[in-house]
Amino acid sequence: DVKVTQSSRYLVKRTGEKVFLECVQDMDHENMFWYRQDPGLGLRLIYFSYDVKMKEKGDIPEGYSVSREKKERFSLILESASTNQTSMYLCASRKYRPNEKLFFGSGTQLSVL
Amino acid sequence: SQELEQSPQSLIVQEGKNLTINCTSSKTLYGLYWYKQKYGEGLIFLMMLQKGGEEKSHEKITAKLDEKKQQSSLHITASQPSHAGIYLCGADLPRNQGGKLIFGQGTELSVKP
Repeated sequence: DVKVTQSSRYLVKRTGEKVFLECVQDMDHENMFWYRQDPGLGLRLIYFSYDVKMKEKGDIPEGYSVSREKKERFSLILESASTNQTSMYLCASRKYRPNEKLFFGSGTQLSVL
Repeated sequence: SQELEQSPQSLIVQEGKNLTINCTSSKTLYGLYWYKQKYGEGLIFLMMLQKGGEEKSHEKITAKLDEKKQQSSLHITASQPSHAGIYLCGADLPRNQGGKLIFGQGTELSVKP
């Protein structure tokens, strides 16, 4: 089975800190995604990577950056965390083929105080 | 931009009752996915639909995609407490938009014993 692993289940940070969220997948997937999930808003796409060193902005990229130096790893970076970035962050991956389903990690609940 | 609208946003049903969740797109759907999420966890893939008029079933859950490929429904027969959670529909954006997958805002289902 495909495994998508997010480095932390819960994270508490202070305003202004630089935060790294790590995601690793073990099935050689080309596509990787970062979403944030907030009540009533569903999943909103932050960034998307279709291959190593390739990235595209999603719907809400402001305040975030990403890094994909290796195929299996996709990192989400909060350069200067703010309280409105308190959220559940979900990483996902899939093969680069039409109509391939996403495999999700368990999520990281980030609280910024 | 394409958007997915789910209805209802929340639903409380008595155990044993049937229910339907809808997902409507502003544009033609190229791949429609249904996921389920247990509270505070990652998403579990349920089904994917591609063709207009397509219908798939798994255990007591049936998903349909209308002929025009702009609306999908998820029907649960004889609901059980194990069906409780958040149901999300997701859709592939057209290939010229880079392989992104967007989601609706989710439907929260509670099943009362």
